[in-house]
Amino acid sequence: GAVVSQHPSWVICKSGTSVKIECRSLDFQATTMFWYRQFPKQSLMLMATSNEGSKATYEQGVEKDKFLINHASLTLSTLTVTSAHPEDSSFYICSASESLSYNEQFFGPGTRLTVL
Amino acid sequence: GDSVTQMEGPVTLSEEAFLTINCTYTATGYPSLFWYVQYPGEGLQLLLKATKADDKGSNKGFEATYRKETTSFHLEKGSVQVSDSAVYFCALSERTGRRALTFGSGTRLQVQP
Repeated sequence: GAVVSQHPSWVICKSGTSVKIECRSLDFQATTMFWYRQFPKQSLMLMATSNEGSKATYEQGVEKDKFLINHASLTLSTLTVTSAHPEDSSFYICSASESLSYNEQFFGPGTRLTVL
Repeated sequence: GDSVTQMEGPVTLSEEAFLTINCTYTATGYPSLFWYVQYPGEGLQLLLKATKADDKGSNKGFEATYRKETTSFHLEKGSVQVSDSAVYFCALSERTGRRALTFGSGTRLQVQP
């Protein structure tokens, strides 16, 4: 149980284009989803927190107009990287939490974005 | 703000050696503590957790004890295997608020046969 999927697992795009990454909780309802970014050989950095049906809360330094997050249902959140640039190339990881009172998170396998 | 500090790697051990990966934390509240493992090419998996002082989390032969007095959560395993080679992340989560995880920098473990 508690499986989180991400799609696509990797994507290559041209500079200036937009890329959408999906995060789905397959067997539970995720009240909260988190988006992280991981640079090579570094730790995960939280980008934003999203609750179903409300606006995402972005961490300091994360551009909300560049990284659009939508949490339209209890099983799906999307991250759209708009007007991508090479410096946006990274490993993007989502996680989902199913309970307001218990804070265990379940992680997706990640999406590797390469912007040419 | 909250932070997690863990020992730098890589840690290279021979099979069946004893493993310790140190982790200390600072937190404004009373956090829950976690160890996550990331195998090559895979996503993070929860290895073990502890939610209150003196709790011991354990899984797959790994153990870690929540030490509030020393703000530590060191990971240990008595006898490592080649299959344990991975990156290990210590993390904390506050019990209230947004409950996002704060991660340490990760420690790469390489176990040689």
